[in-house]
Amino acid sequence: GQNIDQPTEMTATEGAIVQINCTYQTSGFNGLFWYQQHAGEAPTFLSYNVLDGLEEKGRFSSFLSRSKGYSYLLLKELQMKDSASYLCAVPDSNYQLIWGAGTKLIKKP
Amino acid sequence: DAEITQSPRHKITETGRQVTLACHQTWNHNNMFWYRQDLGHGLRLIHYSYGVQDTNKGEVSDGYSVSRSNTEDLPLTLESAASSQTSVYFCASSGGELSGANVLTFGAGSRLTVL
Repeated sequence: GQNIDQPTEMTATEGAIVQINCTYQTSGFNGLFWYQQHAGEAPTFLSYNVLDGLEEKGRFSSFLSRSKGYSYLLLKELQMKDSASYLCAVPDSNYQLIWGAGTKLIKKP
Repeated sequence: DAEITQSPRHKITETGRQVTLACHQTWNHNNMFWYRQDLGHGLRLIHYSYGVQDTNKGEVSDGYSVSRSNTEDLPLTLESAASSQTSVYFCASSGGELSGANVLTFGAGSRLTVL
C-alpha cells in the first residue's frame, strides 16, 4: 500500500537551518510534492521533485532519493513567517495525491 | 486575478441535515478536487472531477456527493450530515493533464461542525 511518514513537530530558532524529512512507500513513483500550510489557511505549493538530487529555490531546497524512498525539505535562515506546517505528498497509482500528516515547525522564542 | 473561493467558510449544522459546500474557481482549470483535513491525518481525497459531467470517488467518498455542471463549480453535498463529518474541507483545482498529480491551488477552506 501507500504510506507517507513525517515527524509531527519540530522546533528551531530564528536564523537556523531546518531539515524536514519525509519517507514514502508507493507502488510506482510519479514525483513528490511539498506544500506549506500556515495555521487556519490553505496549503500552498512549495516544490516538486521527480529526479534524484537537490532542487534549490531561494531559502527553500528539496531533496529526493528515489532508491531510498526519502525526501527532505531544507529551510535556511529561518524566519518568523516560516512557522507553519509542511506537507509531503506523492501520487498513488491513480495519480491522486497521498498526503503525509504534516510537520508543524515551531519557532523557538 | 484568478481565484478559487469556498463558501460558507464556517457552518454549524445538526446530524441528519443536508449540507452543501460551494467551490468556485476562475482559473479555467479542468481538474477540481475536494479534500477533508482532520488532526493527525493528512489531507484525504473525497471526490474529484476532470471536467464537466465527470466525477470520481476518492478515498473517503461515503456520505458525500459532487456534481460538475460547468467548468467553474464543484459543489460538495453531505446528504445526511454525521458527527464524523465534522472537519475542515478544502477545494482545490489544477490545470494541465487530467490528473491529481499536478500543482494544486487550494481554496481557503470551509470549517464544518456537525452537532
